[in-house]
Amino acid sequence: DVKVTQSSRYLVKRTGEKVFLECVQDMDHENMFWYRQDPGLGLRLIYFSYDVKMKEKGDIPEGYSVSREKKERFSLILESASTNQTSMYLCASTPPFWSGNTIYFGEGSWLTVV
Amino acid sequence: GENVEQHPSTLSVQEGDSAVIKCTYSDSASNYFPWYKQELGKGPQLIIDIRSNVGEKKDQRIAVTLNKTAKHFSLHITETQPEDSAVYFCAASRRSNDYKLSFGAGTTVTVRA
Repeated sequence: DVKVTQSSRYLVKRTGEKVFLECVQDMDHENMFWYRQDPGLGLRLIYFSYDVKMKEKGDIPEGYSVSREKKERFSLILESASTNQTSMYLCASTPPFWSGNTIYFGEGSWLTVV
Repeated sequence: GENVEQHPSTLSVQEGDSAVIKCTYSDSASNYFPWYKQELGKGPQLIIDIRSNVGEKKDQRIAVTLNKTAKHFSLHITETQPEDSAVYFCAASRRSNDYKLSFGAGTTVTVRA
């Protein structure tokens, strides 16, 4: 079974803190994603990565950055957390393009910024 | 970019009845349409998907239909059971380009016993 693991399930951070959300997948997938999930808005793409050290902006990248130093790990960074970044964050990965579109999600990280 | 609209936002059905969720999309180049189920406290999981060369696909009690001309697709759940209660998301993407999925806002389905 594919496993996408988000190390922190629940976090509470203060405004202005730097926040790291870590994600690891165990299926050697090239593609990894960070989504944000908010009620009534569905899932919105923050950043994605097609390969190590490669990253591309999604639909809502402002206030976020990412890091992909190893193929299995994709980190989301909030440089200076703000209350409007309180949300559920979902990491996901997919296999190479030619093997299908199935996207595998982690269990989510609930972030509260106070 | 792609815009996916999903209706209804909430749906309550009696156990054994059918549930239908509808989505529309804006990008005529989209050719891949998955549906995800998210149970409480978990990440979304793929339950069924359809590609643009197919009009309908079934998997036991779940079916998806696609109308490319009208740019809409629907999820049908028959003989609903309590374990079908969850949030369901539709999505669309251009498979030939990348894996960027555009998601609908989600439908919270409650199956009443």
